[in-house]
Amino acid sequence: GQQLNQSPQSMFIQEGEDVSMNCTSSSIFNTWLWYKQDPGEGPVLLIALYKAGELTSNGRLTAQFGITRKDSFLNISASIPSDVGIYFCAGQFSSGNTPLVFGKGTRLSVIA
Amino acid sequence: SAVISQKPSRDICQRGTSLTIQCQVDSQVTMMFWYRQQPGQSLTLIATANQGSEATYESGFVIDKFPISRPNLTFSTLTVSNMSPEDSSIYLCSVVGGSSYNEQFFGPGTRLTVL
Repeated sequence: GQQLNQSPQSMFIQEGEDVSMNCTSSSIFNTWLWYKQDPGEGPVLLIALYKAGELTSNGRLTAQFGITRKDSFLNISASIPSDVGIYFCAGQFSSGNTPLVFGKGTRLSVIA
Repeated sequence: SAVISQKPSRDICQRGTSLTIQCQVDSQVTMMFWYRQQPGQSLTLIATANQGSEATYESGFVIDKFPISRPNLTFSTLTVSNMSPEDSSIYLCSVVGGSSYNEQFFGPGTRLTVL
């Protein structure tokens, strides 16, 4: 099935550093979402983006819906140990009633 | 957001047996989906669970292997039939609707190990 290209695959950073990860696709999406998954848990929605060019923040997290509708990035500022986990981007072709296409995930490790 | 529970949370099963996974939501939702997450991998859609009719399966997934029921707007089951070790995965249900029309939320997952 179709997948998004998510990078980097993994990151090791020092506590307090900023983090950036992104997703690209050959297809146009109407919605981009970013999820975080902790071990043994289901993905938790962090940010949802609905409009090309939209820039949305949620605390230390900022995400943007690319102007071409084929990409999105997620930034985490001033990382803390609890930011550790796997971050997934997901695209949606239509409205909320359609399933998601997921990136392969970015595994984030934070060194205290 | 909707509160989603799954049962069982984990199980270890023998090859050739079947396991039924339940997904319960605390409010009525319009859409329910089932995803599979193989070890160290991303999420792959298995099917859309349709209320009152047959599920819509993605390429590579068939009803005989993954029968799905959705008798009402708050409950669905996924059965993994005639299991093999390759079926060892996390199975996740996801919902859209309730108070968040456009956003998709996930249950905690069922971790299945097939010996």
